[in-house]
Amino acid sequence: AQSVTQLGSHVSVSEGALVLLRCNYSSSVPPYLFWYVQYPNQGLQLLLKYTSAATLVKGINGFEAEFKKSETSFHLTKPSAHMSDAAEYFCACPLGDTGRRALTFGSGTRLQVQP
Amino acid sequence: EPEVTQTPSHQVTQMGQEVILRCVPISNHLYFYWYRQILGQKVEFLVSFYNNEISEKSEIFDDQFSVERPDGSNFTLKIRSTKLEDSAMYFCASSEGGQRTDTQYFGPGTRLTVL
Repeated sequence: AQSVTQLGSHVSVSEGALVLLRCNYSSSVPPYLFWYVQYPNQGLQLLLKYTSAATLVKGINGFEAEFKKSETSFHLTKPSAHMSDAAEYFCACPLGDTGRRALTFGSGTRLQVQP
Repeated sequence: EPEVTQTPSHQVTQMGQEVILRCVPISNHLYFYWYRQILGQKVEFLVSFYNNEISEKSEIFDDQFSVERPDGSNFTLKIRSTKLEDSAMYFCASSEGGQRTDTQYFGPGTRLTVL
Protein backbone atom coordinates (compact mmCIF):
# COMPACT_ATOMS: atom_id res chain seq x y z
CA ALA A 1 0.00 0.00 0.00
CA GLN A 2 1.09 3.54 -0.63
CA SER A 3 1.70 5.92 2.25
CA VAL A 4 3.18 9.30 3.07
CA THR A 5 5.18 10.47 6.06
CA GLN A 6 5.53 14.06 7.17
CA LEU A 7 8.61 14.95 9.18
CA GLY A 8 8.03 17.61 11.80
CA SER A 9 4.64 18.08 13.39
CA HIS A 10 5.39 21.77 14.03
CA VAL A 11 7.47 24.19 11.99
CA SER A 12 8.02 27.80 12.99
CA VAL A 13 9.47 30.41 10.65
CA SER A 14 9.78 34.16 10.65
CA GLU A 15 7.74 36.25 8.26
CA GLY A 16 9.68 36.53 5.00
CA ALA A 17 11.72 33.37 5.62
CA LEU A 18 11.76 30.23 3.51
CA VAL A 19 9.09 27.66 4.28
CA LEU A 20 10.05 23.99 3.90
CA LEU A 21 7.60 21.28 4.86
CA ARG A 22 8.74 17.71 4.36
CA CYS A 23 6.87 14.77 2.89
CA ASN A 24 8.25 11.37 1.95
CA TYR A 25 6.27 8.71 0.17
CA SER A 26 6.40 4.97 0.16
CA SER A 27 5.27 3.41 -3.07
CA SER A 28 6.19 0.57 -5.35
CA VAL A 29 5.00 2.55 -8.36
CA PRO A 30 5.28 6.28 -9.18
CA PRO A 31 2.67 7.84 -6.94
CA TYR A 32 0.27 10.68 -7.29
CA LEU A 33 0.84 13.17 -4.49
CA PHE A 34 -1.14 16.03 -3.04
CA TRP A 35 -0.57 18.85 -0.59
CA TYR A 36 -3.60 20.20 1.25
CA VAL A 37 -3.83 23.13 3.67
CA GLN A 38 -6.28 23.49 6.53
CA TYR A 39 -6.86 26.93 7.97
CA PRO A 40 -8.47 27.16 11.42
CA ASN A 41 -12.12 26.07 11.40
CA GLN A 42 -12.05 25.34 7.68
CA GLY A 43 -11.90 22.26 5.47
CA LEU A 44 -8.91 20.99 3.56
CA GLN A 45 -7.99 23.00 0.49
CA LEU A 46 -5.80 21.67 -2.29
CA LEU A 47 -2.51 23.55 -2.66
CA LEU A 48 -1.03 21.48 -5.48
CA LYS A 49 -0.73 17.98 -6.86
CA TYR A 50 1.78 15.82 -8.68
CA THR A 51 0.38 13.69 -11.48
CA SER A 52 3.53 12.36 -13.15
CA ALA A 53 3.88 15.30 -15.49
CA ALA A 54 6.36 18.02 -14.43
CA THR A 55 8.43 17.20 -11.35
CA LEU A 56 8.26 20.80 -10.14
CA VAL A 57 4.68 21.64 -9.35
CA LYS A 58 3.45 25.14 -8.69
CA GLY A 59 0.40 25.68 -6.55
CA ILE A 60 -1.69 28.43 -5.07
CA ASN A 61 -0.48 31.15 -2.72
CA GLY A 62 3.12 30.94 -3.96
CA PHE A 63 3.73 27.36 -2.85
CA GLU A 64 5.54 24.78 -4.94
CA ALA A 65 6.75 21.23 -4.48
CA GLU A 66 9.34 19.11 -6.24
CA PHE A 67 8.93 15.41 -6.83
CA LYS A 68 12.28 13.65 -6.30
CA LYS A 69 12.14 9.96 -7.06
CA SER A 70 15.72 9.36 -5.85
CA GLU A 71 14.77 10.71 -2.43
CA THR A 72 11.13 9.50 -2.45
CA SER A 73 10.21 13.03 -1.44
CA PHE A 74 7.67 15.69 -2.30
CA HIS A 75 8.62 18.60 -0.05
CA LEU A 76 6.55 21.78 -0.03
CA THR A 77 8.31 25.13 -0.22
CA LYS A 78 7.55 28.81 -0.33
CA PRO A 79 10.33 31.38 -0.71
CA SER A 80 8.89 33.96 1.66
CA ALA A 81 6.44 33.18 4.45
CA HIS A 82 3.48 35.40 5.12
CA MET A 83 1.48 35.60 8.32
CA SER A 84 -1.54 34.26 6.44
CA ASP A 85 0.34 31.01 5.72
CA ALA A 86 -0.10 29.91 9.33
CA ALA A 87 -2.14 26.71 9.04
CA GLU A 88 -1.86 22.94 9.08
CA TYR A 89 -0.47 21.28 5.97
CA PHE A 90 -1.15 17.71 4.90
CA CYS A 91 0.59 15.56 2.34
CA ALA A 92 -1.57 12.83 0.80
CA CYS A 93 -1.59 10.11 -1.82
CA PRO A 94 -4.12 7.57 -3.08
CA LEU A 95 -4.39 4.38 -1.05
CA GLY A 96 -3.28 1.26 -2.85
CA ASP A 97 -1.32 0.89 -6.03
CA THR A 98 -4.10 0.92 -8.59
CA GLY A 99 -7.73 1.76 -8.90
CA ARG A 100 -8.41 3.16 -5.45
CA ARG A 101 -9.32 6.81 -5.14
CA ALA A 102 -9.39 7.08 -1.38
CA LEU A 103 -6.63 9.28 -0.03
CA THR A 104 -4.27 8.48 2.80
CA PHE A 105 -2.87 11.47 4.65
CA GLY A 106 0.29 12.26 6.53
CA SER A 107 0.00 13.29 10.15
CA GLY A 108 0.18 16.98 9.26
CA THR A 109 2.60 19.82 9.91
CA ARG A 110 1.45 22.90 11.75
CA LEU A 111 3.17 25.99 10.38
CA GLN A 112 3.63 28.99 12.65
CA VAL A 113 4.77 32.30 11.19
CA GLN A 114 6.39 34.70 13.62
CA PRO A 115 6.27 38.45 12.96
CA GLU B 1 -16.43 29.37 -6.48
CA PRO B 2 -18.47 26.20 -5.86
CA GLU B 3 -17.82 24.55 -2.53
CA VAL B 4 -18.81 21.54 -0.48
CA THR B 5 -21.04 22.43 2.45
CA GLN B 6 -21.72 20.43 5.59
CA THR B 7 -24.31 20.66 8.33
CA PRO B 8 -24.31 20.91 11.24
CA SER B 9 -20.93 22.40 12.05
CA HIS B 10 -21.05 20.84 15.51
CA GLN B 11 -23.19 17.94 16.75
CA VAL B 12 -23.33 16.77 20.33
CA THR B 13 -25.02 13.46 21.05
CA GLN B 14 -25.36 10.85 23.74
CA MET B 15 -23.68 7.48 23.37
CA GLY B 16 -26.01 5.01 21.66
CA GLN B 17 -27.94 7.66 19.75
CA GLU B 18 -28.18 7.82 15.99
CA VAL B 19 -26.71 10.80 14.16
CA ILE B 20 -26.95 11.93 10.56
CA LEU B 21 -24.30 14.19 9.14
CA ARG B 22 -25.23 16.05 6.00
CA CYS B 23 -23.22 17.23 3.05
CA VAL B 24 -24.00 19.01 -0.18
CA PRO B 25 -21.28 18.13 -2.71
CA ILE B 26 -20.36 20.37 -5.61
CA SER B 27 -23.21 20.13 -8.09
CA ASN B 28 -21.52 18.55 -11.12
CA HIS B 29 -19.37 16.14 -9.11
CA LEU B 30 -19.99 12.43 -9.35
CA TYR B 31 -17.83 10.93 -6.60
CA PHE B 32 -18.43 11.55 -2.91
CA TYR B 33 -16.36 10.69 0.11
CA TRP B 34 -16.40 10.76 3.90
CA TYR B 35 -13.26 11.09 5.96
CA ARG B 36 -12.79 11.63 9.66
CA GLN B 37 -10.11 13.06 11.90
CA ILE B 38 -10.00 12.10 15.53
CA LEU B 39 -8.43 14.87 17.58
CA GLY B 40 -4.67 14.71 17.31
CA GLN B 41 -4.70 11.94 14.71
CA LYS B 42 -4.49 11.64 10.93
CA VAL B 43 -7.32 12.26 8.52
CA GLU B 44 -8.71 8.79 7.75
CA PHE B 45 -10.79 7.59 4.81
CA LEU B 46 -14.18 6.09 5.60
CA VAL B 47 -16.11 5.54 2.39
CA SER B 48 -16.54 6.62 -1.21
CA PHE B 49 -19.78 6.64 -3.18
CA TYR B 50 -20.54 6.68 -6.88
CA ASN B 51 -23.65 6.06 -8.91
CA ASN B 52 -25.74 5.48 -5.78
CA GLU B 53 -23.55 2.80 -4.33
CA ILE B 54 -20.47 2.43 -2.18
CA SER B 55 -17.36 2.07 -4.33
CA GLU B 56 -14.76 1.77 -1.56
CA LYS B 57 -14.81 1.54 2.20
CA SER B 58 -12.26 1.25 4.94
CA GLU B 59 -12.15 -1.09 7.90
CA ILE B 60 -13.51 1.73 10.03
CA PHE B 61 -16.74 1.79 8.02
CA ASP B 62 -18.51 -1.09 9.74
CA ASP B 63 -22.21 -1.93 10.04
CA GLN B 64 -22.77 1.05 12.34
CA PHE B 65 -22.16 3.38 9.43
CA SER B 66 -24.22 3.95 6.31
CA VAL B 67 -24.28 6.50 3.53
CA GLU B 68 -27.06 7.69 1.32
CA ARG B 69 -27.82 10.16 -1.40
CA PRO B 70 -31.46 10.79 -0.56
CA ASP B 71 -32.00 13.35 -3.32
CA GLY B 72 -30.09 15.07 -6.08
CA SER B 73 -28.07 17.30 -3.83
CA ASN B 74 -27.50 15.81 -0.37
CA PHE B 75 -25.08 13.10 0.71
CA THR B 76 -25.44 11.80 4.24
CA LEU B 77 -23.46 9.74 6.71
CA LYS B 78 -25.45 7.94 9.37
CA ILE B 79 -24.01 6.45 12.53
CA ARG B 80 -26.63 4.14 14.00
CA SER B 81 -25.48 3.82 17.58
CA THR B 82 -22.73 6.25 18.43
CA LYS B 83 -19.79 5.29 20.60
CA LEU B 84 -17.42 7.55 22.51
CA GLU B 85 -14.71 6.73 19.99
CA ASP B 86 -16.82 8.12 17.16
CA SER B 87 -16.04 11.61 18.45
CA ALA B 88 -14.14 13.25 15.61
CA MET B 89 -14.28 15.84 12.86
CA TYR B 90 -16.07 14.36 9.86
CA PHE B 91 -15.21 15.73 6.43
CA CYS B 92 -17.23 15.27 3.30
CA ALA B 93 -15.47 15.58 -0.06
CA SER B 94 -16.43 15.35 -3.70
CA SER B 95 -14.61 15.01 -6.99
CA GLU B 96 -15.73 15.59 -10.54
CA GLY B 97 -14.43 12.28 -11.82
CA GLY B 98 -13.01 9.05 -10.52
CA GLN B 99 -9.44 9.33 -11.69
CA ARG B 100 -6.82 8.98 -8.98
CA THR B 101 -5.48 12.38 -10.01
CA ASP B 102 -8.83 14.14 -9.66
CA THR B 103 -8.91 16.73 -6.93
CA GLN B 104 -11.12 15.97 -3.98
CA TYR B 105 -12.77 19.11 -2.63
CA PHE B 106 -13.43 19.05 1.09
CA GLY B 107 -16.13 20.66 3.14
CA PRO B 108 -15.48 22.50 6.42
CA GLY B 109 -16.35 19.47 8.52
CA THR B 110 -18.81 18.51 11.24
CA ARG B 111 -17.41 18.14 14.71
CA LEU B 112 -19.17 15.21 16.37
CA THR B 113 -18.96 14.96 20.14
CA VAL B 114 -20.30 11.80 21.74
CA LEU B 115 -20.93 12.04 25.48
